[in-house]
Amino acid sequence: DAGVIQSPRHEVTEMGQEVTLRCKPISGHNSLFWYRQTMMRGLELLIYFNNNVPIDDSGMPEDRFSAKMPNASFSTLKIQPSEPRDSAVYFCASSLKGWRTEAFFGQGTRLTVV
Amino acid sequence: GDSVTQMEGPVTLSEEAFLTINCTYTATGYPSLFWYVQYPGEGLQLLLKATKADDKGSNKGFEATYRKETTSFHLEKGSVQVSDSAVYFCALEVNAGNNRKLIWGLGTSLAVNP
Repeated sequence: DAGVIQSPRHEVTEMGQEVTLRCKPISGHNSLFWYRQTMMRGLELLIYFNNNVPIDDSGMPEDRFSAKMPNASFSTLKIQPSEPRDSAVYFCASSLKGWRTEAFFGQGTRLTVV
Repeated sequence: GDSVTQMEGPVTLSEEAFLTINCTYTATGYPSLFWYVQYPGEGLQLLLKATKADDKGSNKGFEATYRKETTSFHLEKGSVQVSDSAVYFCALEVNAGNNRKLIWGLGTSLAVNP
């Protein structure tokens, strides 16, 4: 398996523009996580899905952020409108549902909002 | 609430030195504990884990023992290499209703000099 695949790897956009980050989890995994990583706050869980259903979105910073998982092999994280403070590395991770299982991370999308 | 506290970095060592990165946690119940490693430009990957008290996780020369009495899961390695330079994250898995939730430390950066 190719692992968790994220696209794009890098994104530079202007303030106010819409940004869409994409994730393909490992086949057979039924939990998917979106994280944001910054120097100031470290790794923050934004939202996670089990079996394509959002379970906990309490980490989504505000209404400008939305995430979807239309099927088991694809998820998106959208920011509209984007702001400079959204600049960060966004990671997607997947795992088998259940306890004590390993989360596999993608390589991340480095987002810069200017 | 549930939390993880890691020692602050950066940690700088010479090759073959002994490494300890401290991690303590606060949690109810019986959490599982993990160490993840993030190499430059990559996503996080599982280094080792322990699922019950007194368990010792080990991998690639790294070890950590789940100490319930001191609520700690310190990472150790007897002789570090330059290739161990990375950011290390301690994480705690807790029960969130019927779902898992990973709580992360802020990460500790390790630089190993030749």
